[in-house]
Amino acid sequence: TQLLEQSPQFLSIQEGENLTVYCNSSSVFSSLQWYRQEPGEGPVLLVTVVTGGEVKKLKRLTFQFGDARKDSSLHITAAQPGDTGLYLCAGEDAGGTSYGKLTFGQGTILTVHP
Amino acid sequence: NAGVTQTPKFRVLKTGQSMTLLCAQDMNHEYMYWYRQDPGMGLRLIHYSVGEGTTAKGEVPDGYNVSRLKKQNFLLGLESAAPSQTSVYFCASSLYRGLVTQYFGPGTRLLVL
Repeated sequence: TQLLEQSPQFLSIQEGENLTVYCNSSSVFSSLQWYRQEPGEGPVLLVTVVTGGEVKKLKRLTFQFGDARKDSSLHITAAQPGDTGLYLCAGEDAGGTSYGKLTFGQGTILTVHP
Repeated sequence: NAGVTQTPKFRVLKTGQSMTLLCAQDMNHEYMYWYRQDPGMGLRLIHYSVGEGTTAKGEVPDGYNVSRLKKQNFLLGLESAAPSQTSVYFCASSLYRGLVTQYFGPGTRLLVL
C-alpha cells in the first residue's frame, strides 16, 4: 500500500506571509496532483506534475515534484484570505494496472487571517 | 454541463438500515470512483469502475457494494449501515486513467446513528 504523508496538518497564518506544504512518500509515483477543497464542496484540481524536478507556477502558487518522484511541495507566496481551504496532494501509482487510482495525503487545512 | 452530481446531499441512517448513493456525470467519462473522506485521513478509494458494467475494489471496500449499469451513473450501496460508515462520500470521474483530471461531485454527508 502506497502512503503519502502530508505536512503540516494545520496551518494558520496572517495575510501576506509565505508558506510551504510538503507531501512525502517512500514510493515512486508516475504523477503527483494537488487539489484544493472548499467547505461543502469536492476537491478541485490545481496542478499535475509529472517529471522529476518539475516546477510549475500558478500565480502565487509554486509546485515542485522531487527528483526521485517520491515527494512534492506547494509554496504560496504572500498568502491571501482567499487561499483558505483544504489542500490535498495525490499520487498516481507508477504501476501498470492502477487504472488511474490516486493515493491521497491526509490534507493540510490552511487558514489565512486578514 | 452539470459535471458530477450526487444524491442525496445529506442523510441520517440508523444502524442496520440500507441506502444507495447515486452519482451521475454528463461528461461521457469512462472511469468513475467512490471515495470516503474522514478527518485527518484524506480521501480513501472505496470502489471504482473502468467502464459500463465493470467495477473493482479500492482501498476500503468492506461494507459497500457498487453498480455501473449505465455509463453515466455509478451507485454506491450500504446494505447494513454501521456507525463506522459515518463519513462524507465523494464520487469522481475521469476520461481515462492516468495524467487526467478527476472531477469530483459535491459530496454526500452520511451520519449513521
